Amino acid sequence: QKEVEQNSGPLSVPEGAIASLNCTYSDRGSQSFFWYRQYSGKSPELIMFIYSNGDKEDGRFTAQLNKASQYVSLLIRDSQPSDSATYLCAVKIRGTGRRALTFGSGTRLQVQP
Amino acid sequence: NAGVTQTPKFQVLKTGQSMTLQCAQDMNHNSMYWYRQDPGMGLRLIYYSASEGTTDKGEVPNGYNVSRLNKREFSLRLESAAPSQTSVYFCATQLDDNTEAFFGQGTRLTVV
Repeated sequence: QKEVEQNSGPLSVPEGAIASLNCTYSDRGSQSFFWYRQYSGKSPELIMFIYSNGDKEDGRFTAQLNKASQYVSLLIRDSQPSDSATYLCAVKIRGTGRRALTFGSGTRLQVQP
Repeated sequence: NAGVTQTPKFQVLKTGQSMTLQCAQDMNHNSMYWYRQDPGMGLRLIYYSASEGTTDKGEVPNGYNVSRLNKREFSLRLESAAPSQTSVYFCATQLDDNTEAFFGQGTRLTVV
């Protein structure tokens, strides 16, 4: 089992719809969760982070964390073609020496005009 | 304020050649990282440095060496490049373990 799992997609949604991206993680004690967006040929850029159970909203983006079920999701409202990218989930896994974030393999989102 | 700067952006090497990828940050972060990204594999940690003068292996360290020259700079060296090292390499920094990572623009390396 991978430590951070994402469906590779592509997830295709029409313009204006809600895109829902999901991520599950294996370490129940993980404390910090991040969503990155990566355009083709570019470096990952942070969209949101979340530390506590529940929802966190920032503009069109909402991150949802459920530690009991060990999943974190990202909702994108009013999806735009410019949102077409790969979305990476990153988790701070506990453990001695585990200082770096652990990344999922990413979900490719396609927003159809 | 450049953030995290990597050089070069592109490189083609022949099998057996060596090269060093450079990374510099002006964010005053203690932690620096080298990742590689391959299709379908996500970002995998090669090496990291929690502070100046310290380095530790990550998930895929074989075939690489690193050097944390000072707080700003963290270099990745391939002593004898192999085709399996064809990848996109990203340098990243973090203020501390639980904060977000900031990435450089990446180096696309091809080994033929």
